[in-house]
Amino acid sequence: AQSVTQPDIHITVSEGASLELRCNYSYGATPYLFWYVQSPGQGLQLLLKYFSGDTLVQGIKGFEAEFKRSQSSFNLRKPSVHWSDAAEYFCAVGADSGGGADGLTFGKGTHLIIQP
Amino acid sequence: DGGITQSPKYLFRKEGQNVTLSCEQNLNHDAMYWYRQDPGQGLRLIYYSQIVNDFQKGDIAEGYSVSREKKESFPLTVTSAQKNPTAFYLCASSGRHGQNNEQFFGPGTRLTVL
Repeated sequence: AQSVTQPDIHITVSEGASLELRCNYSYGATPYLFWYVQSPGQGLQLLLKYFSGDTLVQGIKGFEAEFKRSQSSFNLRKPSVHWSDAAEYFCAVGADSGGGADGLTFGKGTHLIIQP
Repeated sequence: DGGITQSPKYLFRKEGQNVTLSCEQNLNHDAMYWYRQDPGQGLRLIYYSQIVNDFQKGDIAEGYSVSREKKESFPLTVTSAQKNPTAFYLCASSGRHGQNNEQFFGPGTRLTVL
């Protein structure tokens, strides 16, 4: 069974500083990988996704992520954070069973706090 | 505008009662999903449906039931058998295969058992 680990429950970053959120996954084949962001009491918004091809993926709001198969990682980065980036971030892995898209497996999330 | 709607936003239930959460999408997606979110636990898959009139159990299906009579709709019933139903429930939809299986999420329903 697939699994996702986000080692950091909370991260505090100063506004304007760089950010890296860690994600490690466990899956037997090439996974579909996603990063989502959630504001309090809201649904999830997709930041970026990796299916195949270029291992450096660009997303919305200036985020990017790099797929490293050898490390089973898909870390999310942003060169300069803004106060509006404060939110909960979820990494997820998905699979296609051959019969169609299965559900996603999510990490437990990283809560990002931005200091002024 | 295309999207996913969930209703109601807040729902209160007495112990022993069944309650049904609504999820509707107009994205013409084949697949739909229900997740449960608890603080510090991420999202866990309850049920999913890849096509009309068919659905599969996810990781935590006990105490829940679903139906998929229409492509646009995937209601979730939280039964009295669910021992700890207070949570935030999220519905999602996607295409069925490959590049299309990016999931789009609704705004969620917060269920509280009194």
